[in-house]
Amino acid sequence: DTAVSQTPKYLVTQMGNDKSIKCEQNLGHDTMYWYKQDSKKFLKIMFSYNNKELIINETVPNRFSPKSPDKAHLNLHINSLELGDSAVYFCASSPPGEVEKLFFGSGTQLSVL
Amino acid sequence: GQNIDQPTEMTATEGAIVQINCTYQTSGFNGLFWYQQHAGEAPTFLSYNVLDGLEEKGRFSSFLSRSKGYSYLLLKELQMKDSASYLCAVMDSNYQLIWGAGTKLIIKP
Repeated sequence: DTAVSQTPKYLVTQMGNDKSIKCEQNLGHDTMYWYKQDSKKFLKIMFSYNNKELIINETVPNRFSPKSPDKAHLNLHINSLELGDSAVYFCASSPPGEVEKLFFGSGTQLSVL
Repeated sequence: GQNIDQPTEMTATEGAIVQINCTYQTSGFNGLFWYQQHAGEAPTFLSYNVLDGLEEKGRFSSFLSRSKGYSYLLLKELQMKDSASYLCAVMDSNYQLIWGAGTKLIIKP
């Protein structure tokens, strides 16, 4: 199936741990994103990545780092997890020239205990 | 600051029509989007308005007034599967999407 897929779907971990969320898209899109959806359901962009250009939302702590091995993958690494990092994280991609049309992955629910 | 306002929750009856409003204040404007998000699932794209007026797509229509900073999503012939959250988002002058918190739509038989 053509889609944006991210793993794992659920991630439960202890404070202070380091974890990664993987994202892959087979839609041929040039731009990929990571979003955080908090308990109030606001979607906030964390990163966008286009042709090796990384745009970082300045409010994102540097414990969060995206890693893109190739155009189809954008993984999210989180170091020293904190309670406030608990949220749903969505990967997304958009077609060339259509940055407004986002295709979302199914989300990763991260719970930090 | 930038903000998007939409009602937190609305209830409607199957077969009826519902209008979900969205008002926005952003630094610049490069289009307004509506996304549908079912509980526990990813948002899916519904519509994009960049010019004033009404865009119709089947049972769903979206309206934009840039001078008023206002949009609405109109859903006709409501079906139970339309129960979801509807997210309004505006692309600002930096081409960043600013999201509302979503309107949870509950459809009753």
